[in-house]
Amino acid sequence: GQQVMQIPQYQHVQEGEDFTTYCNSSTTLSNIQWYKQRPGGHPVFLIQLVKSGEVKKQKRLTFQFGEAKKNSSLHITATQTTDVGTYFCAGPNNNDMRFGAGTRLTVKP
Amino acid sequence: DTAVSQTPKYLVTQMGNDKSIKCEQNLGHDTMYWYKQDSKKFLKIMFSYNNKELIINETVPNRFSPKSPDKAHLNLHINSLELGDSAVYFCASSQAWTGNYGYTFGSGTRLTVV
Repeated sequence: GQQVMQIPQYQHVQEGEDFTTYCNSSTTLSNIQWYKQRPGGHPVFLIQLVKSGEVKKQKRLTFQFGEAKKNSSLHITATQTTDVGTYFCAGPNNNDMRFGAGTRLTVKP
Repeated sequence: DTAVSQTPKYLVTQMGNDKSIKCEQNLGHDTMYWYKQDSKKFLKIMFSYNNKELIINETVPNRFSPKSPDKAHLNLHINSLELGDSAVYFCASSQAWTGNYGYTFGSGTRLTVV
C-alpha cells in the first residue's frame, strides 16, 4: 500500500528558531493532511492540502504541497514552547489515511 | 461536548485476559477507525467501518474483533491479550471513507499488558 516517509524523526530547537518537517511519497497523492499530537495527547487535524503547489498558512505555520503532489512540508517560524509535540503527515490509501512516522519537536526555552 | 470519546482511558491487565474498548462519536460521521500507536509513536490502521460495515481489516491478529452496533459506535474486543498488545489505541472518525476528510481522534486508551 501507499506509504509516506517523513523526516526528520526528531528535531530539537531553541525557542525562536524555525522548524521544518518533510513528507515524501513514491506515488502521487490526491491530498495530504497534517496532524499535531501533543505529548500525552491525541492527534489533532491541522490542515488538508489538495492542489498542486498549494501553500496554506496558519499563523506561524506554513504548509506546502509539491508541484508533483508527491511531497509536502510544514514550516514553523519562530518556534514557541507551545509548538512541542509530534507532527504527522498523512496520505490517502484507498479507504483510509496512512500516516508518516512523525517528527517529534522539542523546544528549549 | 466530546466529539469522539473512548473508554477506558487506561487499561492494565494480565496476559491471557479478554478486554474491550468502547468508542462513540457525536459528529454524525459515517466512518470510524481504530489505530494502534506503538512506543515509537507510529500510527497503524487496524480497522475501518463505514456506516456499520467493515471496510478495512488490516493484518491484525484475529484476537482483535471490532463491532459497530451503529454508525456512532465502534468497539474493539481483544481476546487472550499478549505483552505485544501494549500500546495506545486511538479511535477516530471522519465524514466519509474516501480519504478526503480530516480525522477526529479520541483521546486514546493506553493498554498495558503485564
